[in-house]
Amino acid sequence: AIQMTQSPSSLSASVGDRVTITCRASQDIRNDLGWYQQKPGKAPKLLIYVASSLQSAVPSRFSGSGSGTDFTLTISSLQPEDFATYYCLQDYNYPLTFGGGTKVEIK
Amino acid sequence: QVQLQESGPGLVKPSETLSLTCTVSGDSVSSTSYYWTWIRQPPGRGLEWIGYIYYNGNSNYNPSLNSRVTISADTSKNQFSLKLSSVTAVDTAVYYCARRHCDDGRCYFDYWGQGTLVTVSS
Repeated sequence: AIQMTQSPSSLSASVGDRVTITCRASQDIRNDLGWYQQKPGKAPKLLIYVASSLQSAVPSRFSGSGSGTDFTLTISSLQPEDFATYYCLQDYNYPLTFGGGTKVEIK
Repeated sequence: QVQLQESGPGLVKPSETLSLTCTVSGDSVSSTSYYWTWIRQPPGRGLEWIGYIYYNGNSNYNPSLNSRVTISADTSKNQFSLKLSSVTAVDTAVYYCARRHCDDGRCYFDYWGQGTLVTVSS
């Protein structure tokens, strides 16, 4: 199975900060990567698919980049509603695998 | 508006079979392009893909669970189901059903159920 390594596992940031989360795949996954946001007690929500495509209705402060093995999720200006846990997911082959998550907390 | 809703027992005894159903509204489990999927999340931990069933009845499971898991669909009720046999405490998790949309090589989970907590305990 492809291993997805996310970093950092947690971070503290302030409203307005630029936040970057990275995800590294154990092998080339082209651009078959998605990013999901999860708030406590809620299901994950799709933010980005195929590495850089913004899902409909997701704010433009979210962006994704990368291909091959290294990927990045960037929040350009952190908002109060963005404090959550973020997961990457490789959709290149089975079994689909998630990164371990990055918890974004308020500084 | 597509909606998915999980249902089933919240408590299962060790060694028994966990059974959950996902009822889909606003779409059909017979629709092409969609993989009807189960994902789970142990308390305080990350997400694990369990497997899917496709509109044509094909299925695919996580090898870590392969011998214990079955996913099936009931098109007459517009539902799909998960059965996980011989459960132990490590199977305690929130179980989500989700729709995976694949279009021209681009795949993503666009709709999720709210999740249901299943606890394995005697």
